[in-house]
Amino acid sequence: AQSVTQPDIHITVSEGASLELRCNYSYGATPYLFWYVQSPGQGLQLLLKYFSGDTLVQGIKGFEAEFKRSQSSFNLRKPSVHWSDAAEYFCAVGPPRNKLIFGAGTRLAVHP
Amino acid sequence: DTEVTQTPKHLVMGMTNKKSLKCEQHMGHRAMYWYKQKAKKPPELMFVYSYEKLSINESVPSRFSPECPNSSLLNLHLHALQPEDSALYLCASSQVGQTGKAGELFFGEGSRLTVL
Repeated sequence: AQSVTQPDIHITVSEGASLELRCNYSYGATPYLFWYVQSPGQGLQLLLKYFSGDTLVQGIKGFEAEFKRSQSSFNLRKPSVHWSDAAEYFCAVGPPRNKLIFGAGTRLAVHP
Repeated sequence: DTEVTQTPKHLVMGMTNKKSLKCEQHMGHRAMYWYKQKAKKPPELMFVYSYEKLSINESVPSRFSPECPNSSLLNLHLHALQPEDSALYLCASSQVGQTGKAGELFFGEGSRLTVL
């Protein structure tokens, strides 16, 4: 069965510190992988995606993610976090028949 | 234009009311979605329209009735809702198909629904 696991429900980092959000997936074929971000009271915005090719992908807002097939992971990273990065982050895999599978989300808090 | 516009942003309704949520996109996307999101939870898929035809209904109660009048518009008609239906309702659009592009969803800001 296809699934996405985000092991960390809540993470707190200091502004300027580095960040890594974990995502593990279970998918029968070559996965299409996504990270979305949701600011409070807003819709979701696509940060980055992996379809094929280079396993290190760059996204918006200075984020990057690395696809590791051997570990079934697609972790999101940022070298220096800004206070405006505080949000909910969702990893997703798909799409079979346009049905994206979301992880439970990781809530990021940023201390000044 | 990369926006998905949802109206209204907030809606309060009684359990006997009939109301509608509206969604519009002008990106030429032929797949449109309704998601329901409860607080601190991921979005839950409700419906998918592909080329203006309903392609996925995730066993949603009939008190929610979707409609896709044309390729740019998506409505969600609400009738006889329950308080537990209070949530953020998100509309999204994407390209159609089995490629990764179909997973690149463009979301609206949502309609926050409160059922009294």
